[in-house]
Amino acid sequence: QQQVKQSPQSLIVQKGGIPIINCAYENTAFDYFPWYQQFPGKGPALLIAIRPDVSEKKEGRFTISFNKSAKQFSLHIMDSQPGDSATYFCAASRRRSQGNLIFGKGTKLSVKP
Amino acid sequence: IAGITQAPTSQILAAGRRMTLRCTQDMRHNAMYWYRQDLGLGLRLIHYSNTAGTTGKGEVPDGYSVSRANTDDFPLTLASAVPSQTSVYFCASSEGWGTGYTFGSGTRLTVV
Repeated sequence: QQQVKQSPQSLIVQKGGIPIINCAYENTAFDYFPWYQQFPGKGPALLIAIRPDVSEKKEGRFTISFNKSAKQFSLHIMDSQPGDSATYFCAASRRRSQGNLIFGKGTKLSVKP
Repeated sequence: IAGITQAPTSQILAAGRRMTLRCTQDMRHNAMYWYRQDLGLGLRLIHYSNTAGTTGKGEVPDGYSVSRANTDDFPLTLASAVPSQTSVYFCASSEGWGTGYTFGSGTRLTVV
């Protein structure tokens, strides 16, 4: 199936906390899993992406954890800052498909000072 | 600055009117996409084009049409707007399958 299920819908953390956003997919043919960050009034921007041959990828304070057997992946934000407050979308696709990116419904993150 | 330009930024449109949302990219990306974003529903694909001259239907294509006459432009047309088409529309592009998307800043459309 094509769905990507994302949770939670919204998340509030204190500055310095580690928000975790989870996504689950059904289609085992998916092999590209990006995360997008969207600020109000702006378009989504690619944050970090992972392919299923690795279990973890870090870029700065952002980490993707990937569990192929469970068909789940998650975004962790270390030492979160108020400037990280945004909506985060996970997505999935097949590299050799015209199916394009399938997005989760998004998580609105608020980091309190 | 390389990227995607969308126009207009916002528009209020009377129901039944025809409207074309413009999208231009200067990155020479092969693939382009149109998404609509609605609260609680995330980003839903309307139409896509994997290369100039070809288009395909996404998840919610009804009421919309697209064309891809060249690499850079990918206009989205609402032939006869209805209130349910009130949304924020994003155009995006990518080098190809399984690569990151670059999004425009969006067009906020209100159909009354």
